[in-house]
Amino acid sequence: KQEVTQIPAALSVPEGENLVLNCSFTDSAIYNLQWFRQDPGKGLTSLLLIQSSQREQTSGRLNASLDKSSGRSTLYIAASQPGDSATYLCAVSNFNKFYFGSGTKLNVKP
Amino acid sequence: DAGVIQSPRHEVTEMGQEVTLRCKPISGHDYLFWYRQTMMRGLELLIYFNNNVPIDDSGMPEDRFSAKMPNASFSTLKIQPSEPRDSAVYFCASSFLVQETQYFGPGTRLLVL
Repeated sequence: KQEVTQIPAALSVPEGENLVLNCSFTDSAIYNLQWFRQDPGKGLTSLLLIQSSQREQTSGRLNASLDKSSGRSTLYIAASQPGDSATYLCAVSNFNKFYFGSGTKLNVKP
Repeated sequence: DAGVIQSPRHEVTEMGQEVTLRCKPISGHDYLFWYRQTMMRGLELLIYFNNNVPIDDSGMPEDRFSAKMPNASFSTLKIQPSEPRDSAVYFCASSFLVQETQYFGPGTRLLVL
């Protein structure tokens, strides 16, 4: 069974800092990997989706990379802002199964 | 589009009662997913539908759980009888294709006393 791990579980940084969130998975036979954001008491919002054939995706200050062979993905957030404070989850899919990590709770201090 | 709509947003019930959660997916999306989120187990996929047909229900925890999708714009997740360990946030999500971005609803927070 696919296992998805996110490290660290929590991260606190000062505003303006660049940061990296990590996601690892045990089975490299994935179709895609998604990064989501979850605000307290809310649903998940998709940030970036990387297909298995891609190496990275970018959206604004966010950049996600994928290394299937090593079973890793990173989410890079540039120039962090207090509004980026949320829990970030990664999810992988393989053969119509979907597996989520437990998330990294990010706090960006003003 | 209003996004994925779920009701109720909060539900408090007593052990043994029947609970029905409702979901309206985004119009035009062919896939609908039901998830459960708890502190202990994180986010788990319970079941998903394609064109109203259940494709994979291997995540449904017990026979007490059932899900239906009578038409393209409505799905229900039913728990009968409910137990305290069913307390969780239940999310519904939809997507156009199974391997494309899933759009999540706001969730139903269920508390079984």
